[in-house]
Amino acid sequence: DQQVKQNSPSLSVQEGRISILNCDYTNSMFDYFLWYKKYPAEGPTFLISISSIKDKNEDGRFTVFLNKSAKHLSLHIVPSQPGDSAVYFCAASGGSNYKLTFGKGTLLTVNP
Amino acid sequence: DAGVIQSPRHEVTEMGQEVTLRCKPISGHDYLFWYRQTMMRGLELLIYFNNNVPIDDSGMPEDRFSAKMPNASFSTLKIQPSEPRDSAVYFCASSSKLITPQDYGYTFGSGTRLTVV
Repeated sequence: DQQVKQNSPSLSVQEGRISILNCDYTNSMFDYFLWYKKYPAEGPTFLISISSIKDKNEDGRFTVFLNKSAKHLSLHIVPSQPGDSAVYFCAASGGSNYKLTFGKGTLLTVNP
Repeated sequence: DAGVIQSPRHEVTEMGQEVTLRCKPISGHDYLFWYRQTMMRGLELLIYFNNNVPIDDSGMPEDRFSAKMPNASFSTLKIQPSEPRDSAVYFCASSSKLITPQDYGYTFGSGTRLTVV
């Protein structure tokens, strides 16, 4: 059973526009959420995170929004650049353990 | 720091053969994770260690899979016997809560692409 769900396998946007990637979770124990970015033939790299005590976290062009009541988070990239083309993974953690549970990923393609 | 080092980068093997994947974590990291990436299931955690001790192996698919961490600088993931459905990219990651807790400090290796024919 997928506890972290990324229902869009792919997303295509034009350069300069906004990219919005979505993630839903089912486990109420999750209290920390992260986004990772992955290029082909490389391992995932950390992008941005948010704690459940916040509803927004911003880092440059990247903003993550958390809606705890809906168990939903989203990653906004503004403006999108061709170099942002990659697979984006949503991840979550909670409770006393230290492991991250990942979604299936969303392939973002930013067209010039 | 060279980062998390995985070997081999690619492995092609025949069904029924034993496969061993290797990982060298970042020095000073006390957590080590093995993940598997497939189209169907995304990135799924197989097992993780803390201070060389396995903490959670609930993601290990079946008895054909085993993982060891004999010391702080080396870990192996073994599949015996291998099957075509084991074909995937296997990632190793290491981390330390004490270093960068806000991002979980996960550093992933580049992965091993396993193909079982």
